[in-house]
Amino acid sequence: GESVGLHLPTLSVQEGDNSIINCAYSNSASDYFIWYKQESGKGPQFIIDIRSNMDKRQGQRVTVLLNKTVKHLSLQIAATQPGDSAVYFCAEMAHDMRFGAGTRLTVKP
Amino acid sequence: GAVVSQHPSRVICKSGTSVKIECRSLDFQATTMFWYRQFPKQSLMLMATSNEGSKATYEQGVEKDKFLINHASLTLSTLTVTSAHPEDSSFYICSARDLGKAGGGSYNEQFFGPGTRLTVL
Repeated sequence: GESVGLHLPTLSVQEGDNSIINCAYSNSASDYFIWYKQESGKGPQFIIDIRSNMDKRQGQRVTVLLNKTVKHLSLQIAATQPGDSAVYFCAEMAHDMRFGAGTRLTVKP
Repeated sequence: GAVVSQHPSRVICKSGTSVKIECRSLDFQATTMFWYRQFPKQSLMLMATSNEGSKATYEQGVEKDKFLINHASLTLSTLTVTSAHPEDSSFYICSARDLGKAGGGSYNEQFFGPGTRLTVL
């Protein structure tokens, strides 16, 4: 069936560096994509989203890039901080929301 | 903002008992709610879609007689895990969708609860 997956299960970065988390999706019918941050024992926290008619969207310290040609989504975090340490999930929306496998981001001080 | 709550946040029960988890949209009406299950170090897996006033739609492999879903009002959906067993121990997360709720620079119309940790002994 259709699936959403991630290339990197873990990512460790130095505080202040930029982080890039990648996601591959396979449902060509998906028209909306979201990145979530999840801290231990908590529900997903919305970070940023993008519609399929866009290829880039920027928020505060975060940027989402969408490449529909290769069905790839990425989340860029600028000047990564210790508080950014968490698991990050991409999700795609067709008629319901499906999640990717997740990447654990660890920020070293 | 759109707030979704879950109750209880944690529950421990004995094998064979039933457990009810509530999901509430606090400041909006949700015609559709979703239930997800998350095992340790894994992603969220959609279990079922709950529509107010109608039967829930279950994902393949999810037993509808074991995971009873009721969406009796526009602000409340409940998930009952019947005859719980240790393998049902998991983190259960609900989300609620409010069409037209998007705003503040986001297209997002689906909002997640804080999750319920179920431990079956």
